[in-house]
Amino acid sequence: AQTVTQSQPEMSVQEAETVTLSCTYDTSESDYYLFWYKQPPSRQMILVIRQEAYKQQNATENRFSVNFQKAAKSFSLKISDSQLGDAAMYFCAYKGGGDMRFGAGTRLTVKP
Amino acid sequence: GAVVSQHPSWVICKSGTSVKIECRSLDFQATTMFWYRQFPKQSLMLMATSNEGSKATYEQGVEKDKFLINHASLTLSTLTVTSAHPEDSSFYICSAPGEGAKNIQYFGAGTRLSVL
Repeated sequence: AQTVTQSQPEMSVQEAETVTLSCTYDTSESDYYLFWYKQPPSRQMILVIRQEAYKQQNATENRFSVNFQKAAKSFSLKISDSQLGDAAMYFCAYKGGGDMRFGAGTRLTVKP
Repeated sequence: GAVVSQHPSWVICKSGTSVKIECRSLDFQATTMFWYRQFPKQSLMLMATSNEGSKATYEQGVEKDKFLINHASLTLSTLTVTSAHPEDSSFYICSAPGEGAKNIQYFGAGTRLSVL
């Protein structure tokens, strides 16, 4: 079974600085997708970024980028120029042939 | 992007009553929808997969008779919590995969259920 591990329950970053959230996963599938979702206090799940496993190039969305290491099964999220609105729970997710699996989440605090 | 509407956003009910939560895909069709439960400060736990026109698939440990799922159309799935008890109080979230959207799931805003 696929598992997703986020080893950082909480992270903190100074406004305008950069922070990296870690995620590792375990799978035997060769074709899959990886996602980072943001859940602010409103609890609405918002897609931040996605990565297709067959693509070697790391996905980037404005201030958000990933470091996808397929062999190491690692999928970290880098947030540059952190803003107060980035404060939220961040969930790493895996989607292969079955349902989507989520990590335990990382709570990100942004200090002004 | 695709929009998933979930209603109600918050419901308070008495113990023993039943509560229905609706999940609608507003601008796309969804033959499959997913229902999650989220406890405070925890991750999303998949409860069941709702299939249009057929029975839902429940995850291990989820009571089928407690959490009734109906997916009567391509845009609507409902979750009914039957004979609710305080331990059923939680945050319930639905999601649906977008059409041709490369495995992206779109989430409803969630429903906070409080059973007194």
